[in-house]
Amino acid sequence: QQKVQQSPESLIVPEGGMASLNCTSSDRNVDYFWWYRQHSGKSPKMLMSIFSNGEKEEGRFTVHLNKASLHTSLHIRDSQPSDSALYLCAASKNSGTYQRFGTGTKLQVVP
Amino acid sequence: EAAVTQSPRNKVAVTGGKVTLSCNQTNNHNNMYWYRQDTGHGLRLIHYSYGAGSTEKGDIPDGYKASRPSQENFSLILELATPSQTSVYFCASGDDRVAEQFFGPGTRLTVL
Repeated sequence: QQKVQQSPESLIVPEGGMASLNCTSSDRNVDYFWWYRQHSGKSPKMLMSIFSNGEKEEGRFTVHLNKASLHTSLHIRDSQPSDSALYLCAASKNSGTYQRFGTGTKLQVVP
Repeated sequence: EAAVTQSPRNKVAVTGGKVTLSCNQTNNHNNMYWYRQDTGHGLRLIHYSYGAGSTEKGDIPDGYKASRPSQENFSLILELATPSQTSVYFCASGDDRVAEQFFGPGTRLTVL
């Protein structure tokens, strides 16, 4: 059973629109969350991380974390075709230990 | 930028054969990881290491062995390859100082 659940499995948004991706850990022994982006045929690259309750913004990307429910979300505003990729959520107990990944959300931004 | 390399990039093996996938990192990271990626399963952790000489089992270690002979190198060994091990394998490195994982380019393994 996947311990990190992501939804939706796939998402299509228009260029300039807002994309919202969700991730929840069923393992309560985690404190750190990451979002990775993986373009087709490439390796995953970290996009953002969040370790504290609340919100963190970097440019067009915003992540939220609710530690009580172990739920994190990634929001991409003004989505661009170059944002089309597989978005992977990962969780771990602390910053230096192994991360467990979800199955990902495939985002497609259409012109 | 952190550098992780993998070899080979592509490999075709026969069922029952031995396969060794190699990973090298020049970032002086303590931790290294092996994942496989299959459609519908995301990235699944096979083995990991917190330093030279140590290896730990991940979530799906059956059929795989790992070796960490030095800080820089981490190998994944399939002693008796099976078609179910056909996948894309990613190596990654990281530690407390960087608080993220850096991935290699991946190895596409096909077992016939």
